[in-house]
Amino acid sequence: SAVISQKPSRDICQRGTSLTIQCQVDSQVTMMFWYRQQPGQSLTLIATANQGSEATYESGFVIDKFPISRPNLTFSTLTVSNMSPEDSSIYLCSAVGSRSYNEQFFGPGTRLTVL
Amino acid sequence: AQKVTQAQTEISVVEKEDVTLDCVYETRDTTYYLFWYKQPPSGELVFLIRRNSFDEQNEISGRYSWNFQKSTSSFNFTITASQVVDSAVYFCALSERETSGSRLTFGEGTQLTVNP
Repeated sequence: SAVISQKPSRDICQRGTSLTIQCQVDSQVTMMFWYRQQPGQSLTLIATANQGSEATYESGFVIDKFPISRPNLTFSTLTVSNMSPEDSSIYLCSAVGSRSYNEQFFGPGTRLTVL
Repeated sequence: AQKVTQAQTEISVVEKEDVTLDCVYETRDTTYYLFWYKQPPSGELVFLIRRNSFDEQNEISGRYSWNFQKSTSSFNFTITASQVVDSAVYFCALSERETSGSRLTFGEGTQLTVNP
């Protein structure tokens, strides 16, 4: 299984600022995703991080608010821009291994609080 | 469109009781994958099992077992002889391989509390 790390693990931010979350996988993976989990809720997919091209966003999420990069097969970043208290959530990165299609593993998450 | 329903929002049991968490799914694909994840209070998401749509055999792993029934579109999860460490939120998820790659649709989760 792939081991996924995220930085930072948690942060408290002021309204109107931006935060970039990093996701690092210890092996090459075929697909990477970003999910949001609002307090007490389930996980919702934000976007698929495509290597070398623009991310594919789900309905309700836009690139201006959640720009994503994936410069190589093991690393991706998610930026939460112009934050408001409604963005307070856990943001999770996930990856599908190149050898186990559809076996999806998750990072530990980044717990974001916006004041 | 795919959908996962976990009707049980919260379950509370006493240690050593057996408990079953229900999961019902909807999909138009003939090829799909079902997952269960555990999210303890620390927040990380722990992978428990993946099952593809062509394999209806029930699976047992220690105190955990899963019952996949295509006829009722259900993929239920049973914990036998529950322990306090089993207390967590459990999510059922679906991936439609043909139409959405590995993108997961999650149910709302079931909060399981095991009391000593």
